[in-house]
Amino acid sequence: GNSVTQMEGPVTLSEEAFLTINCTYTATGYPSLFWYVQYPGEGLQLLLKATKADDKGSNKGFEATYRKETTSFHLEKGSVQVSDSAVYFCALPLSGNTGKLIFGQGTTLQVKP
Amino acid sequence: GAVVSQHPSWVICKSGTSVKIECRSLDFQATTMFWYRQFPKQSLMLMATSNEGSKATYEQGVEKDKFLINHASLTLSTLTVTSAHPEDSSFYICSASWDLPSYEQYFGPGTRLTVT
Repeated sequence: GNSVTQMEGPVTLSEEAFLTINCTYTATGYPSLFWYVQYPGEGLQLLLKATKADDKGSNKGFEATYRKETTSFHLEKGSVQVSDSAVYFCALPLSGNTGKLIFGQGTTLQVKP
Repeated sequence: GAVVSQHPSWVICKSGTSVKIECRSLDFQATTMFWYRQFPKQSLMLMATSNEGSKATYEQGVEKDKFLINHASLTLSTLTVTSAHPEDSSFYICSASWDLPSYEQYFGPGTRLTVT
């Protein structure tokens, strides 16, 4: 089945710093790739997605590019804010067409003023 | 749109008792709901998939007699932890989907279960 590996955290940055959270995957074919965010005390929210190779997903200033050559989907943001403090999860379909997702271990981001 | 609620948000129960957790899709009909378990500082572990009107499909290693799932309607799924023990203490999260091929799931806020 498919699998995903995410960089370990926590990541601590100052406001306006550049953010990169690494995510690499192994998969059969070219499945859709996702980033979810979990703010403190809340459920997961879909942050962005890419459905095919070379696609770039973007939302709220975050971007991630589906790179099949390196099997990566790294999350980036040019200037983080305190409000971006959360746990970020990379995800992809488990296998087949079941609708099931497999998640990375999550990366905690803390942004300090 | 696409709001999913869970109730209760947290619960404490004694060992040996059963606890029911509800997951509701508030503004859409969910053909499929997923139940996850999340340990502290760890990722989400898929426990089971439930479809309205049919039996849940459990992931390998998940005891179906311990974690009873009922998907009675297109807006409600319940997870009952039977004969709970301290090792069942965890954060339980549900998600709902109406469009499986897109893999987009909408998550509830989670339920913190503590078994004493």
